[in-house]
Amino acid sequence: GQSLEQPSEVTAVEGAIVQINCTYQTSGFYGLSWYQQHDGGAPTFLSYNALDGLEETGRFSSFLSRSDSYGYLLLQELQMKDSASYFCAVNGNTDKLIFGTGTRLQVFP
Amino acid sequence: SQTIHQWPATLVQPVGSPLSLECTVEGTSNPNLYWYRQAAGRGLQLLFYSIGIDQISSEVPQNLSASRPQDRQFILSSKKLLLSDSGFYLCAWSDRGTGELFFGEGSRLTVL
Repeated sequence: GQSLEQPSEVTAVEGAIVQINCTYQTSGFYGLSWYQQHDGGAPTFLSYNALDGLEETGRFSSFLSRSDSYGYLLLQELQMKDSASYFCAVNGNTDKLIFGTGTRLQVFP
Repeated sequence: SQTIHQWPATLVQPVGSPLSLECTVEGTSNPNLYWYRQAAGRGLQLLFYSIGIDQISSEVPQNLSASRPQDRQFILSSKKLLLSDSGFYLCAWSDRGTGELFFGEGSRLTVL
């Protein structure tokens, strides 16, 4: 089976940096994805890591360590609009994408 | 460009009534299609996954079913709704071999 663990909630202030961790257990592994979901909305794709290392996209970066079954999403220069839920997701040996339970990020002024 | 649309956006149904949610994708061919359900404040639970017409994998035993009568059409159904079926239902598509899902707007179902 597949399972993912991430913290349930993280808080930070505007301008700060926050890291959301994700550990996973999966039979087979293709890659780790990150999604953002604002209240009442649908999730939107942020990043995908298939290989070890850091991928940077603007203020957001995502890291993967396949040997540790671990990844994280790094959000820099936090803004109020970054308040949302963030989900990690893995696809194992198929194209099925299994999601973690989500981390609720609250950004304060 | 590719688009995905699902409907209805919201619905309130009595226990024991039937359900039909529809999802269509435009601008791509032979996509993977998915139905997820999200309970309030919770994660996304994969319900059904399809790699082609009439090729559907059911991930969770329940009173829901899915069909894919056309390449870019995915339908979620139930003959008799339960209270526990309430939630936010999300249709999504992806190209093969990527971790990027494109979600529809979602359908919020309340079963009373």
